[in-house]
Amino acid sequence: GAGVSQSPRYKVAKRGQDVALRCDPISGHVSLFWYQQALGQGPEFLTYFQNEAQLDKSGLPSDRFFAERPEGSVSTLKIQRTQQEDSAVYLCASSLAMGGSFTGELFFGEGSRLTVL
Amino acid sequence: GQQVMQIPQYQHVQEGEDFTTYCNSSTTLSNIQWYKQRPGGHPVFLIQLVKSGEVKKQKRLTFQFGEAKKNSSLHITATQTTDVGTYFCAANAGNNRKLIWGLGTSLAVNP
Repeated sequence: GAGVSQSPRYKVAKRGQDVALRCDPISGHVSLFWYQQALGQGPEFLTYFQNEAQLDKSGLPSDRFFAERPEGSVSTLKIQRTQQEDSAVYLCASSLAMGGSFTGELFFGEGSRLTVL
Repeated sequence: GQQVMQIPQYQHVQEGEDFTTYCNSSTTLSNIQWYKQRPGGHPVFLIQLVKSGEVKKQKRLTFQFGEAKKNSSLHITATQTTDVGTYFCAANAGNNRKLIWGLGTSLAVNP
């Protein structure tokens, strides 16, 4: 597709349920990032992939959060045993940049809004 | 950890007035990017600054990167209602591809 696609756009989960959020980046974009954005806050880094390799997962808040990108394109962010504090918008972004210290222009998806009851 | 401080947090202006948001870091930045996020939307890339003292313009928007590469500003001349949104700065520091984001400046424009 022309842009970054995320699904579902909205997800309501009961506390303790597992959720999976999908990101389909722009074709050919090597780098993929996941961010968490709470209401009224800036995006908080979760994890970063270059192709299928997860190069940085330092932002994942706990071991309940897991991300993968097995074939270097689509990525899935999984949250196990969801808690109320996990409620946020989860943003996926991709970029052409590879290597070096520059992230490059990030193209964001519309986000997945997770509400945990 | 490393932080990028962004001020002000909120700004209300009358249409036609100018607007400026500032980002400051205690450490030298490799580059800085600016994004705009409309209410209910996602961040959209505006610009990237790399060189010390760099100034870039996009129509009514002027972006500056400080000489020491520790601060940056975004200035909007003669604001319009279409400028409403939250403006974020985000920076790379050192050899780290993880962008450090400011908390954003929310701009409201009264017609």
